[in-house]
Amino acid sequence: DAKTTQPPSMDCAEGRAANLPCNHSTISGNEYVYWYRQIHSQGPQYIIHGLKNNETNEMASLIITEDRKSSTLILPHATLRDTAVYYCIVRVDRMFSGGYNKLIFGAGTRLAVHP
Amino acid sequence: EPEVTQTPSHQVTQMGQEVILRCVPISNHLYFYWYRQILGQKVEFLVSFYNNEISEKSEIFDDQFSVERPDGSNFTLKIRSTKLEDSAMYFCASSDSPGTGGTDTQYFGPGTRLTVL
Repeated sequence: DAKTTQPPSMDCAEGRAANLPCNHSTISGNEYVYWYRQIHSQGPQYIIHGLKNNETNEMASLIITEDRKSSTLILPHATLRDTAVYYCIVRVDRMFSGGYNKLIFGAGTRLAVHP
Repeated sequence: EPEVTQTPSHQVTQMGQEVILRCVPISNHLYFYWYRQILGQKVEFLVSFYNNEISEKSEIFDDQFSVERPDGSNFTLKIRSTKLEDSAMYFCASSDSPGTGGTDTQYFGPGTRLTVL
């Protein structure tokens, strides 16, 4: 699996958009970009994933560059409850992985949302 | 919304004792995983399980560890003889088959905090 690079920490004011960047310059064509977050020591929470098109759901938006070498997770209106560690993970489509589909977590970005 | 559940939330044991951590995956999911997170460190993959057998395991998952799906709904992680360094949060996850052209998203449980004294 390709590796990702994320800033170790970011701050965001409550109510503002939080834009969390991720570099994945060695991503291959059959690898998806996944975002999870972990609040305190709770289980990682799935946020969103995408292949090459931008994606949006009720939690966030995912913007993937045209060359797919980087992406940005956008929380449009951050709240205090969004304070967490955010993980960007690149993972191959199971159809190409031969059943090996573990998630490899890095250190992530610690997002602090302040009033 | 369906969710992965884990019991107990906290397990305290003496070094050398056996522990069994339990998970109930999301009901229609076919792939099951265990991860662990030592305090202050990254989340680490332990093992994946599909069709009643291990499909992949990490170097951490040595002979002291085993997994089982005993009854079609539970998924367990057993540590035969716990060590101090086994103290960690243990997370269970499950995912569905992706179908055609898709991926499978893993959903995690809340974790079991294992403390080995």
